[in-house]
Amino acid sequence: EDKVVQSPLSLVVHEGDTVTLNCSYEVTNFRSLLWYKQEKKAPTFLFMLTSSGIEKKSGRLSSILDKKELFSILNITATQTGDSAIYLCAVVLSGAGSYQLTFGKGTKLSVIP
Amino acid sequence: EPEVTQTPSHQVTQMGQEVILRCVPISNHLYFYWYRQILGQKVEFLVSFYNNEISEKSEIFDDQFSVERPDGSNFTLKIRSTKLEDSAMYFCASSGLAHVYQETQYFGPGTRLLVL
Repeated sequence: EDKVVQSPLSLVVHEGDTVTLNCSYEVTNFRSLLWYKQEKKAPTFLFMLTSSGIEKKSGRLSSILDKKELFSILNITATQTGDSAIYLCAVVLSGAGSYQLTFGKGTKLSVIP
Repeated sequence: EPEVTQTPSHQVTQMGQEVILRCVPISNHLYFYWYRQILGQKVEFLVSFYNNEISEKSEIFDDQFSVERPDGSNFTLKIRSTKLEDSAMYFCASSGLAHVYQETQYFGPGTRLLVL
């Protein structure tokens, strides 16, 4: 059975802290890994990672994939209260002509002033 | 910026009733998906749709569920006879035209379905 495991499940930090969110996976037919931020409703896209060792960056957020050890991390530096959300990791499985996502349970991040 | 839209935002229905959830994917996208998220649980894949037919479906997507693209813009999920356990947030997603971007699925805001 395909599995995506995120840790920690929840995290409380103070503004200005740096956090690292983890995602490990055991799936067949791996194609790529995506990170989403879910605030009130729709998951919003952050990163797509396909190759090992190449860091993706967007402002204070960065992410990297290790396809040998089957995990990815999402780093957020200098956290702000607006970073409070659930961060979802999803693995893209290549199937017969489409690319379904298998999600982890998410990490709930709370940033307190 | 183009976005996926969904209607209604909330739907309350009686057990056994039929519901239709509607989605307008991003224009020019070719792959469409439905996911659901039961309260407190993870997002689960239901079905993918391409070229006017189902590409893949999960074991959740049984005979009570169907999808349709009735025109060039809408993508619908129908639940024929709702059960209490169908209560969840239902997300529509779409992904793009060019091969390299196919995996980046963009999600709509969801429809919160409550079955009483």
